[in-house]
Amino acid sequence: EAQVTQNPRYLITVTGKKLTVTCSQNMNHEYMSWYRQDPGLGLRQIYYSMNVEVTDKGDVPEGYKVSRKEKRNFPLILESPSPNQTSLYFCASRVGGVYTGELFFGEGSRLTVL
Amino acid sequence: KQEVTQIPAALSVPEGENLVLNCSFTDSAIYNLQWFRQDPGKGLTSLLLIQSSQREQTSGRLNASLDKSSGRSTLYIAASQPGDSATYLCAVIITQGGSEKLVFGKGTKLTVNP
Repeated sequence: EAQVTQNPRYLITVTGKKLTVTCSQNMNHEYMSWYRQDPGLGLRQIYYSMNVEVTDKGDVPEGYKVSRKEKRNFPLILESPSPNQTSLYFCASRVGGVYTGELFFGEGSRLTVL
Repeated sequence: KQEVTQIPAALSVPEGENLVLNCSFTDSAIYNLQWFRQDPGKGLTSLLLIQSSQREQTSGRLNASLDKSSGRSTLYIAASQPGDSATYLCAVIITQGGSEKLVFGKGTKLTVNP
């Protein structure tokens, strides 16, 4: 089954404790991206990757890091989480090519930073 | 700056009714537009993708149209069912500063009453 898998789905952590949210897709997609969804603000793009070793900032990259060492994986790293990073996070992927292709989303990771 | 607006924010209809959801965007220079549905606590499910050169796409009871010149897209749902209850989001793909960017509307929450 074609899917985008995120882990963990739920996480409660404390300020400053580094964490990684993993994202993996089994569709051989070149493009992958991360979003956060907050009430009243909607979905905002954090980072995206057009292919292995190619990443770029989205609208709200501050406080986040990403890496794309393999095609299937695109982890989101919070080096020193803060309460304002409490949010619902989504990973998505699509086929490569410029601006084309249907986006497929993971189920989301709900993160709470105390 | 591209802005995507979805009106109304919420809509309640009786089962069986045909309905239209609206999405408007401020800059007609888009590459494609995608409609999604989101169920509570879940990820986004792609419904329809319309390339900038297309006028409409159909899938089952759903029909999405795109008018770039007026900055509008509509999602038509025929013979609505309680299972259609969800939040519907539209998103446009644009370029900004040489980077690809996905801009989402804040969604329309649809309730279909039995």
